[in-house]
Amino acid sequence: EPEVTQTPSHQVTQMGQEVILRCVPISNHLYFYWYRQILGQKVEFLVSFYNNEISEKSEIFDDQFSVERPDGSNFTLKIRSTKLEDSAMYFCASNGLAGNEQFFGPGTRLTVL
Amino acid sequence: GQNIDQPTEMTATEGAIVQINCTYQTSGFNGLFWYQQHAGEAPTFLSYNVLDGLEEKGRFSSFLSRSKGYSYLLLKELQMKDSASYLCAVNPTGGSYIPTFGRGTSLIVHP
Repeated sequence: EPEVTQTPSHQVTQMGQEVILRCVPISNHLYFYWYRQILGQKVEFLVSFYNNEISEKSEIFDDQFSVERPDGSNFTLKIRSTKLEDSAMYFCASNGLAGNEQFFGPGTRLTVL
Repeated sequence: GQNIDQPTEMTATEGAIVQINCTYQTSGFNGLFWYQQHAGEAPTFLSYNVLDGLEEKGRFSSFLSRSKGYSYLLLKELQMKDSASYLCAVNPTGGSYIPTFGRGTSLIVHP
């Protein structure tokens, strides 16, 4: 069964460093998303991406964040200068044209020290 | 602003039926999602309601009343593996997708 994959599963970084979180959506999907979930808190939408551009973004997705689809398979989230409060689980998701069922990846746990 | 309320925790017995409620006050409404999230794992899509009424999918059903700003997720024939957090999420914006999630309801199923 096709699935969304994410790498790495856990990333530890120093405050102020740049990180890139990687996702491989399901191959025939066209809509891609990033969410984050701070430990013990609710899931928060960050950004959606379609047709090689950002469709929507939340207030959380400020200038420190960027997304890219560098090739036909990868979808990345970059945080330019990480802050302590960026420590969270970051989930990638994708869905196809039909329906609203999003498939989530297993997540990347980002720890900023 | 957006406000989504769910009970923090519920407990139920294996084999029973449980109803998890969600109320919302949002600036608009375009649809309501229910997700299941096991501890340490990603959310799994359960349902998406746009119109009023009940939608059934196996042991799980989801109900929506737009006029009341209310939804519930009904789980029948509970199994131990149903112990998880259930997330209600509202998409408030017509024509786009910017969902707001509730804090989730932690369901504990005991024998």
